[in-house]
Amino acid sequence: DQQVKQNSPSLSVQEGRISILNCDYTNSMFDYFLWYKKYPAEGPTFLISISSIKDKNEDGRFTVFLNKSAKHLSLHIVPSQPGDSAVYFCAADAGGTSYGKLTFGQGTILTVHP
Amino acid sequence: GAVVSQHPSWVICKSGTSVKIECRSLDFQATTMFWYRQFPKQSLMLMATSNEGSKATYEQGVEKDKFLINHASLTLSTLTVTSAHPEDSSFYICSAGGVGYTFGSGTRLTVV
Repeated sequence: DQQVKQNSPSLSVQEGRISILNCDYTNSMFDYFLWYKKYPAEGPTFLISISSIKDKNEDGRFTVFLNKSAKHLSLHIVPSQPGDSAVYFCAADAGGTSYGKLTFGQGTILTVHP
Repeated sequence: GAVVSQHPSWVICKSGTSVKIECRSLDFQATTMFWYRQFPKQSLMLMATSNEGSKATYEQGVEKDKFLINHASLTLSTLTVTSAHPEDSSFYICSAGGVGYTFGSGTRLTVV
């Protein structure tokens, strides 16, 4: 049972344009969401997060949107740069006694072309 | 910020041998650490939760006798893959709980 889903295995974007990565979840107990960037054979690097009490969080070129009713979140990268090319994972935390325990999506490979 | 150090970065071992992976919190104390595994082109899957001074809790389907976890101090958790087999070849990553969601750099295990 995949509780966090990233339905797009890959995304290709031109440099300077917007990259939009999507993530859906099914567990209504999730109350904190994160996006990570990852390269092969390396640990995930934290990008941005959002609490379920908010619908938007922005940090530089990265913005995360949360639609709690639709159980959907998205990561916007504007403008996209070639250095953004990597695998992006969304993750969710149910908090409480499970605080810190993350459920990950399958990942989306982002390729930004110069 | 919080730093989690994981060693080794990669290891190759013969089938049937055991391998130990260390995860250290460098500038903070971690009462809880999480161990994940990632197979090629797949997601990160939680294997177990390591609690300082008590037994680890394992996710469904993870063999506790095969993946031994020890969290003897507030800064060190270890994962030992016992009697490793080729199907255990994977990327193992730890993270520290309680101080955000910082991950170690991961360990690529190859069993030949």
